[in-house]
Amino acid sequence: QVQLVQSGAEVRKPGASVKVSCRTSGYSFTVYYIQWVRQAPGQGLEWMGWINPNSGSTNYAQKFQGRVTMTRDTSISTVYMELTRLTSDDTAVYYCARAPSRLTYFDHGGQGTLVTVSS
Amino acid sequence: EIVLTQSPGTLSLSPGERATLSCRASQSISNYQLAWYQQKPGQAPRLLIYAASSRPTGIPDRFSGSGSGTDFTLTISRLEPEDFAVYYCQQYGSSSLTFGGGTKVEIK
Repeated sequence: QVQLVQSGAEVRKPGASVKVSCRTSGYSFTVYYIQWVRQAPGQGLEWMGWINPNSGSTNYAQKFQGRVTMTRDTSISTVYMELTRLTSDDTAVYYCARAPSRLTYFDHGGQGTLVTVSS
Repeated sequence: EIVLTQSPGTLSLSPGERATLSCRASQSISNYQLAWYQQKPGQAPRLLIYAASSRPTGIPDRFSGSGSGTDFTLTISRLEPEDFAVYYCQQYGSSSLTFGGGTKVEIK
């Protein structure tokens, strides 16, 4: 079955960076896009961007451009999301999610990774 | 950026009742490119509806979506105990995907 398994919770200080991994299985890694979405505590969902695991091409939401980098390692069917220059506003649960194409809905998601930014 | 406004913010209903959730867009969404998700506490969002009215395999038929342009609706025909959750709409008709603020369906 389709699975997206994310790395564990992280705590960072303001100004630091964090890299979250998303290991996929149960489907052909290069056929589906991966989107990243985050959710601040008690808040709604916020789209961050997508990566095409086949080509490595990416598209980031304007809000995160310059601070986010999405990469992939096809040898282990894993996608990464790195966010730099963290502030307390970046405290959130980060989700990776599988999408049929670059601009579309997502049909399977990871369990989420809580990133806490605190001094 | 297309802004999605969901209403009501909270819907208080009893099991067996019908739930009607609204999602209104700030500009027309092309080609019915709207999805609905259900989220329960501590869980990732779950896809319920895509392309405004299509249900993925495994989603019960008590969930239905309708609408076009700027006005979309998610209907739950008869609420089951497991349906009490938060529901989000998402548009993918533009280069920047956006979500609505969510509607919480709570037990009355």
